[in-house]
Amino acid sequence: QSALTQPPSASGSPGQSVTISCTGTSSDVGGYNYVSWYQQHPGKAPKLMIYEVSKRPSGVPDRFSGSKSGNTASLTVSGLQAEDEADYYCSAYAGSNGYVFGTGTKVTVL
Amino acid sequence: QVQLQESGPGLVKPSETLSLTCTVSGGSISNYYWSWIRQPAGKGLEWIGRIYSSGSTNYNPSLKSRVTMSVDTSKNQFSLKLSSVTAADTAVYYCARGVPAADYWGQGTLVTVSS
Repeated sequence: QSALTQPPSASGSPGQSVTISCTGTSSDVGGYNYVSWYQQHPGKAPKLMIYEVSKRPSGVPDRFSGSKSGNTASLTVSGLQAEDEADYYCSAYAGSNGYVFGTGTKVTVL
Repeated sequence: QVQLQESGPGLVKPSETLSLTCTVSGGSISNYYWSWIRQPAGKGLEWIGRIYSSGSTNYNPSLKSRVTMSVDTSKNQFSLKLSSVTAADTAVYYCARGVPAADYWGQGTLVTVSS
């Protein structure tokens, strides 16, 4: 069970957009619509930002959006704000292998 | 507001068993999946396994031989046991509600494996 592949870092200026990719296989990302995204600030527990590919939990700004194409899922943060600077992790259902997380992406707001 | 709190020893000796409990408050443990997830310092998240309130479990294949999870609905708690630990099991351990979408998390507890 290998971790999903994310770019180590991404950045953007305030107000700009940043998109993070999450690449898996047909056995996880591509096989089910159970992709989630988490935001984690230093020393804090992860926070659910997106679930089932593109759904937002209550309270998550609509600046956060998710999508999927084939074996790659993406998280887009529009209108970047300083508080968006954090680590972001994707996760996906992997059938009999349970659940797998991505390698993580550090988003920097320039 | 649902809250989760991990508890257990912060230091475990190599080859021994790591034991943690997660206490759920502000809501019932029934009718949900509950997960354990860990994160070594400076590294990414790793799903350890999940348990349903009925006691049904699913474990990460890479840890399956060493993991046991249980639930006590009368106490609104669920637990993790990880046997034969090594230094590689040193991490912050989180309990969380639900998979694949974990909407509530504990604050995490650092478990260090060292003699």
